[in-house]
Amino acid sequence: DAKTTQPPSMDCAEGRAANLPCNHSTISGNEYVYWYRQIHSQGPQYIIHGLKNNETNEMASLIITEDRKSSTLILPHATLRDTAVYYCIVRLKTQGGSEKLVFGKGTKLTVNP
Amino acid sequence: DAGITQSPRHKVTETGTPVTLRCHQTENHRYMYWYRQDPGHGLRLIHYSYGVKDTDKGEVSDGYSVSRSKTEDFLLTLESATSSQTSVYFCAISVEPSLPQYFGPGTRLTVL
Repeated sequence: DAKTTQPPSMDCAEGRAANLPCNHSTISGNEYVYWYRQIHSQGPQYIIHGLKNNETNEMASLIITEDRKSSTLILPHATLRDTAVYYCIVRLKTQGGSEKLVFGKGTKLTVNP
Repeated sequence: DAGITQSPRHKVTETGTPVTLRCHQTENHRYMYWYRQDPGHGLRLIHYSYGVKDTDKGEVSDGYSVSRSKTEDFLLTLESATSSQTSVYFCAISVEPSLPQYFGPGTRLTVL
């Protein structure tokens, strides 16, 4: 099962881009990279996911390296409300065919005024 | 939160008592999941459901049972609560396994 490695914490200035790295060197060809975040005491919030190509939505951009061994989540203009723990996840299959999410420790992003 | 509610939001109970947590969705998603979150462990899957009356175990299912008698409700039962089951419990839903999961607000359970 592919695992992910993220820095435990990062800081970013409000209004600047926040670039959160994730290493997933053992990812297999058909596994997607997902990003979630969790703001204090709330349920995890889906941000974005991708397989090979870079992806962008209203919340963030996801850059996946060509060898797929790492990725970067980009919040283009971080706000104080983006302070949260960010999880990089690789999808795993359970026996029943449903894919569970394995959440690691994530990166605690603090956006400073 | 994608039309997902959990009840109760907070509960304190005593060791040995049965507890049932409810997850309710208005999205008509087929898949539903129960996770628990503890410091140092992240989120761990307890049970999941892939349809009405279709459920399966996750990685930490001991001491828990689930039921899904209709699409919108997924119940998690602790038959005899123990202090080790003190945790925050999250429900999640998805249309299909390959699509994102959306989480509810959580239930904070304390077993004394």
